[in-house]
Amino acid sequence: EDQVTQSPEALRLQEGESSSLNCSYTVSGLRGLFWYRQDPGKGPEFLFTLYSAGEEKEKERLKATLTKKESFLHITAPKPEDSATYLCAVLRSSNTGKLIFGQGTTLQVKP
Amino acid sequence: NAGVTQTPKFRVLKTGQSMTLLCAQDMNHEYMYWYRQDPGMGLRLIHYSVGEGTTAKGEVPDGYNVSRLKKQNFLLGLESAAPSQTSVYFCASIPGGRTEAFFGQGTRLTVV
Repeated sequence: EDQVTQSPEALRLQEGESSSLNCSYTVSGLRGLFWYRQDPGKGPEFLFTLYSAGEEKEKERLKATLTKKESFLHITAPKPEDSATYLCAVLRSSNTGKLIFGQGTTLQVKP
Repeated sequence: NAGVTQTPKFRVLKTGQSMTLLCAQDMNHEYMYWYRQDPGMGLRLIHYSVGEGTTAKGEVPDGYNVSRLKKQNFLLGLESAAPSQTSVYFCASIPGGRTEAFFGQGTRLTVV
């Protein structure tokens, strides 16, 4: 059965304290893995797409990496405005089009 | 170009009432999805569609029905609402292939 698990569920950091969020997945063939940011009361906002093991993408203080079993979202020197819930999702390689999300990691960055 | 639009944005229902949530996209996307989001549960897939006239069950389909009669619209129906269906509902669409999903702003539904 397809499954996406994110850890930790919640993370509290001091401003400037770097850390990583984990997304472990079990899926029968991966077409793509996506990272989203979600602010309270809003819809998810797209961050990155990763397609194959070894791939990396960067955007400002965020860097996403992918292996055959998991993905990491590295946050370098975070700022309070990085506080949000970060969601991971996987799209299967078959033509089912099934897009499954993890439960998310809620990040709080304190000044 | 409005992207993905959900209607309504807020609704309060009484137990046993029915309603339909509308998702409309103007990007000619093939795939469309309905999710529900509850505190601490992430996004759970209710139903999805990979093209006009096709639908498939997701992780939590019970109590919901969907239809995709036109490519741009994906309707989510609640035939007899229950308090357990109180949630925030999100619609999303993908062009097809391997690109990211575009989301609507959500519908906050309360069943009393």
